Amino acid sequence: GAVVSQHPSRVICKSGTSVKIECRSLDFQATTMFWYRQFPKKSLMLMATSNEGSKATYEQGVEKDKFLINHASLTLSTLTVTSAHPEDSSFYICSARGLAGGPSTDTQYFGPGTRLTVL
Amino acid sequence: EDKVVQSPLSLVVHEGDTVTLNCSYEVTNFRSLLWYKQEKKAPTFLFMLTSSGIEKKSGRLSSILDKKELFSILNITATQTGDSAVYLCGETSGSRLTFGEGTQLTVNP
Repeated sequence: GAVVSQHPSRVICKSGTSVKIECRSLDFQATTMFWYRQFPKKSLMLMATSNEGSKATYEQGVEKDKFLINHASLTLSTLTVTSAHPEDSSFYICSARGLAGGPSTDTQYFGPGTRLTVL
Repeated sequence: EDKVVQSPLSLVVHEGDTVTLNCSYEVTNFRSLLWYKQEKKAPTFLFMLTSSGIEKKSGRLSSILDKKELFSILNITATQTGDSAVYLCGETSGSRLTFGEGTQLTVNP
């Protein structure tokens, strides 16, 4: 149980375009999903916390207009990188935290990540 | 600001060795400490620790938390090449999970 999927796994796009990444909890409902960014040989950096039905909470230094997050249901959150530039190239990982009664509400289960390359 | 520090940052051992990975934390409202293993893709969950002194085990891996010293260790016995990965320690306080820098473990045959 507690499987999280991400789509796409890899995307290459031109500078200036927008890219949408989906994160789904497949076998549990997630009130909260998190979006992380990871640079090579670095740890995960939390970008934003996404709560179902409300606005995302962004970490300091993360532009909310550039990284649009939508958490429309208890099983789906999306991250849209708008007007992507080469410096946005990175590994983006989502995680999901379950409802009480499901997987532990403190444990986060991670998706397989999305490798974004902006040319 | 919550802080998690892992050590060592990098470790190279031979198959069969036992390793101990360290994680210290400074948080205002500690709830739990989590260990993850990250190979090429996203982290996979290993342990969640909330109580001091209670060891959690899964095969050759074990972990324990010391809430007085704000410290946790992850032990791996009889290491195998498949244990090579980055091991991440994170703590939850409130809604966030704050990770340390990770320990890059390389197990050579």
